[in-house]
Amino acid sequence: DAGITQSPRHKVTETGTPVTLRCHQTENHRYMYWYRQDPGHGLRLIHYSYGVKDTDKGEVSDGYSVSRSKTEDFLLTLESATSSQTSVYFCAISEPGLAGGTDTQYFGPGTRLTVL
Amino acid sequence: GQSLEQPSEVTAVEGAIVQINCTYQTSGFYGLSWYQQHDGGAPTFLSYNALDGLEETGRFSSFLSRSDSYGYLLLQELQMKDSASYFCAVKGLDSSYKLIFGSGTRLLVRP
Repeated sequence: DAGITQSPRHKVTETGTPVTLRCHQTENHRYMYWYRQDPGHGLRLIHYSYGVKDTDKGEVSDGYSVSRSKTEDFLLTLESATSSQTSVYFCAISEPGLAGGTDTQYFGPGTRLTVL
Repeated sequence: GQSLEQPSEVTAVEGAIVQINCTYQTSGFYGLSWYQQHDGGAPTFLSYNALDGLEETGRFSSFLSRSDSYGYLLLQELQMKDSASYFCAVKGLDSSYKLIFGSGTRLLVRP
């Protein structure tokens, strides 16, 4: 299994508080992603990173920010959590190969966040 | 834009064969992937079709037809442990290596 950890694994917080989720990898993969998963919506990309300090938005980026100061760490921050951000958050990593290749994404165990 | 559609639920009997379909609308993509996710777990990679046709990996096979904007995952000799959610995903032609996932199909295998 790819070495990916997420912390915390579970968090309950109140509306309006800041929250930071951490993804840590030991695979030295270049690409890292943050997804949220909600019933009926599958996995939706929040932000991704293609290198240290290089990040870009995904399809549901509003209300979220990210930072990547080291290859191995990718942080997701909710500046002011809202109840609509209650979800399961997955981090993933990949190492791009040739164009058209599989570029398998490996997922972390997930963080279950509840915003009251 | 890109969108992928899958049936929300499929039920099958242990030992049987089941096909999970994925239809898509996209302006172009490199290939179609399939991921499996057990309840409470993380998605894990199952298969990838870069070209049209059938790819076989043990009991699982995946098929892609770009002309029909259609793919499927075929699971043979179903086992109880195959009960999980299955997601199709496409990788766009831009340089982001992003995957766009379908909403997933929940497979329930009955004894």
